[in-house]
Amino acid sequence: GESVGLHLPTLSVQEGDNSIINCAYSNSASDYFIWYKQESGKGPQFIIDIRSNMDKRQGQRVTVLLNKTVKHLSLQIAATQPGDSAVYFCAENMNRDDKIIFGKGTRLHILP
Amino acid sequence: GAGVSQSPRYKVAKRGQDVALRCDPISGHVSLFWYQQALGQGPEFLTYFQNEAQLDKSGLPSDRFFAERPEGSVSTLKIQRTQQEDSAVYLCASSAHRGQETQYFGPGTRLLVL
Repeated sequence: GESVGLHLPTLSVQEGDNSIINCAYSNSASDYFIWYKQESGKGPQFIIDIRSNMDKRQGQRVTVLLNKTVKHLSLQIAATQPGDSAVYFCAENMNRDDKIIFGKGTRLHILP
Repeated sequence: GAGVSQSPRYKVAKRGQDVALRCDPISGHVSLFWYQQALGQGPEFLTYFQNEAQLDKSGLPSDRFFAERPEGSVSTLKIQRTQQEDSAVYLCASSAHRGQETQYFGPGTRLLVL
């Protein structure tokens, strides 16, 4: 079906290491992708986005990679910190639509 | 305002009761969205407003769900005759314009139907 999903429900990373969270999407018509971070009891918080005419975009400590050939999206977090513990969602949007479609999420655990 | 606010933060309702959930978007934001988030799942789209016009309500699960934004700012999501399966977190988001703009989310209202 046309949905955005994630490969792993949980990811554990040592503090200070880099984290890579992956996402697969199936809708080839999607042309805008977003990563959100959601902490317990809070709403999703925008992290970074990327449009389909780009392969890579960098923010502060975060990088999003888009591979349209295999419909794969990833979020890289450099030097993971305890405050990065959260559930991370990838989401997609089609230009003709205003709503965004979320995947199921990956919970990131930071090990001391 | 500084961000999207929602009230109440928590709501417990008896099955069959009507509830109203409020969303105050970021001041001046044109677009407003409602999402439903079940436990352990990603948010799912319910409905979308551009100013006071409800442009998409394809995600509303039944005719018991109704949303309005009469003056193009504050929005209310109403659920009539609540059922246990309505228990979820209801999230509101706003964006400055329509189209592929960053959506900013509120903290959500956690609804528990007993």
